[in-house]
Amino acid sequence: ETGVTQSPTHLIKTRGQQVTLRCSSQSGHNTVSWYQQALGQGPQFIFQYYREEENGRGNFPPRFSGLQFPNYSSELNVNALELDDSALYLCASAVSGWMNTEAFFGQGTRLTVV
Amino acid sequence: AQSVTQLDSQVPVFEEAPVELRCNYSSSVSVYLFWYVQYPNQGLQLLLKYLSGSTLVKGINGFEAEFNKSQTSFHLRKPSVHISDTAEYFCAVSGGSNYKLTFGKGTLLTVNP
Repeated sequence: ETGVTQSPTHLIKTRGQQVTLRCSSQSGHNTVSWYQQALGQGPQFIFQYYREEENGRGNFPPRFSGLQFPNYSSELNVNALELDDSALYLCASAVSGWMNTEAFFGQGTRLTVV
Repeated sequence: AQSVTQLDSQVPVFEEAPVELRCNYSSSVSVYLFWYVQYPNQGLQLLLKYLSGSTLVKGINGFEAEFNKSQTSFHLRKPSVHISDTAEYFCAVSGGSNYKLTFGKGTLLTVNP
């Protein structure tokens, strides 16, 4: 079990609403990435934060945004929810420079948009 | 750009049989390669990774994988599977200055008694 915790574990939202997902990084980790895993698919990279700044982004629209806090915890915000946003959202944390070799994933938040 | 192809979406096997899950990748730079396992309603757990050095990599739970640069493959193997190995397995690649992981679509391994 990793030290990365995500909340909530499950969430149901209505199309058009906004949602905030939270991630607490493993102790000592200052970089966090978010991934979206649609049903039957592999995880897709959304973005990465390092020292409270976004420093990388995948092919996701601007309504997907994030924050990283001084304690390195993070939030993923999604505005104007669409049905296709239904997925498992995974957070991963690592020490700076090691996100592509030593990332630890949380258990995920299952978002259902109805 | 990098990509990963997992050649089998589902692999059913009997308990104590050997198994191989296939993964091919494409990349224009040197790569790091990974296998992750995902149990139902769980996050991703790292099984093993290739960063450099020996092309045969041993991981947790008796799994191993071999990096083959000429065939751009990183197949996962286990000589004898257990019921508890039933899960989704993901191959992933990263490399160069690319910090993100690019995942395949996954292979569902089902171990039957």
